[in-house]
Order: sequence, then C-alpha cells, then structure tokens
Amino acid sequence: QQQVKQSPQSLIVQKGGISIINCAYENTAFDYFPWYQQFPGKGPALLIAIRPDVSEKKEGRFTISFNKSAKQFSLHIMDSQPGDSATYFCAASTGGSTLGRLYFGRGTQLTVWP
Amino acid sequence: GAVVSQHPSWVICKSGTSVKIECRSLDFQATTMFWYRQFPKQSLMLMATSNEGSKATYEQGVEKDKFLINHASLTLSTLTVTSAHPEDSSFYICSGSGTGGGTEAFFGQGTRLTVV
Repeated sequence: QQQVKQSPQSLIVQKGGISIINCAYENTAFDYFPWYQQFPGKGPALLIAIRPDVSEKKEGRFTISFNKSAKQFSLHIMDSQPGDSATYFCAASTGGSTLGRLYFGRGTQLTVWP
Repeated sequence: GAVVSQHPSWVICKSGTSVKIECRSLDFQATTMFWYRQFPKQSLMLMATSNEGSKATYEQGVEKDKFLINHASLTLSTLTVTSAHPEDSSFYICSGSGTGGGTEAFFGQGTRLTVV
C-alpha cells in the first residue's frame, strides 16, 4: 500500500509559470515531510522540508503548503525555469529528531518549456 | 548540506560476478544508512536499512544473501550484489542520516549497474 500518494505523474509548465505538485498521506505519525529533486542519472537532492507544526514554508521560489487536518501537502514552484525540469518526489517520515525511513511518492516529472 | 559520496557512478559486470558499491559520509557520521533501488521512471524502493555496527534490516522480498550490506563504520557502508544477473541491473542509491547531519537524509549520487 502506497503510504504517500503523489500527483500529477507528469506536469508541463511554461517558463515563468507556477508548478504545483500535491501529496497526501494517511499515517498521522508522520512528522517530517521533505521534497526531493532528482535529475536523470543522479541521486535525489533535498529541496525543502516541513514539519507539521507549521502550515507553510518558503525558500526562494519553492514553497511547501501543509494541511494537517486534510493530511495533504504540496510543493509550489514560482517563476518556473527550464532548469527546474526534473523529477520531484515528496516523502514522509517518522522519528522526531532522528530520521526514520522515508516513504516516497511515485514522483512527478516536471517539464518547463522556455 | 552534508555529503554522501557514492562509487562507482556506473559499473558493467558479467553475469555471475559480484559488484561492490561504496558510500562514504564525508562530513558527518552516518549512524543509519538506507539503500534504495530505482527502476527507470519509478520511485525509490527501499531495500534495507543498516545501523552502524549492526546487521542490516531488509525489506520484504529483498534477498539478504544476494544484496550484502556492511556498515562497519560511521563513515562507510557498502552494498555487494553477489552473483549478479541481468535482472539486477538497476540504479542503486544510498542515503545516510546521523550525527552532525541533522534530521535530513543525504543521498549519494547513485550507481548505475548493468549486468551483461
């Protein structure tokens, strides 16, 4: 059973537009929600992460919105650029101050057209 | 962020031989190492979790005698694919977390294994 459900599977956005990727989870014990960016042939790299005590976190053009009651979180990429074209994975984990195993979504392939 | 160095980045081996993949945490102590396998256009599939000095815990369906994991020190973990077959061809990725790295997991660059 997929612990974290991610949509859409693929996303095409024009340069300068907003990219939005959504994730949902069931396990209320999850307390760490990271987003990873992966380029072809490379390992994932942490983009931004949030804990459930805040509803939003922004770092540059990247924002996580978190809805604890709905058990959903999303990644917003503002002013999307061709260099943002990559696969994005949401994930969730338990463990408090010590990271437990990560449960990944299926991934979203983002293509930003110039 | 902290760095996990994974080698080799790609390897081609003959069927029946063994291949070792190394992951080193360069600037933190990886008390826990996660090993993943990733097929093209798919998500990461956790193979096993290892804590330094302990035996690895394998996920259901992963053959522990085929995928040998060693985590003998806080800065080095290895995955050995024994008697490799073409179906073992995949992208293998390690990830470490632990002291000095905060609550993040830091990923290696991945290893593309091709068994011919």
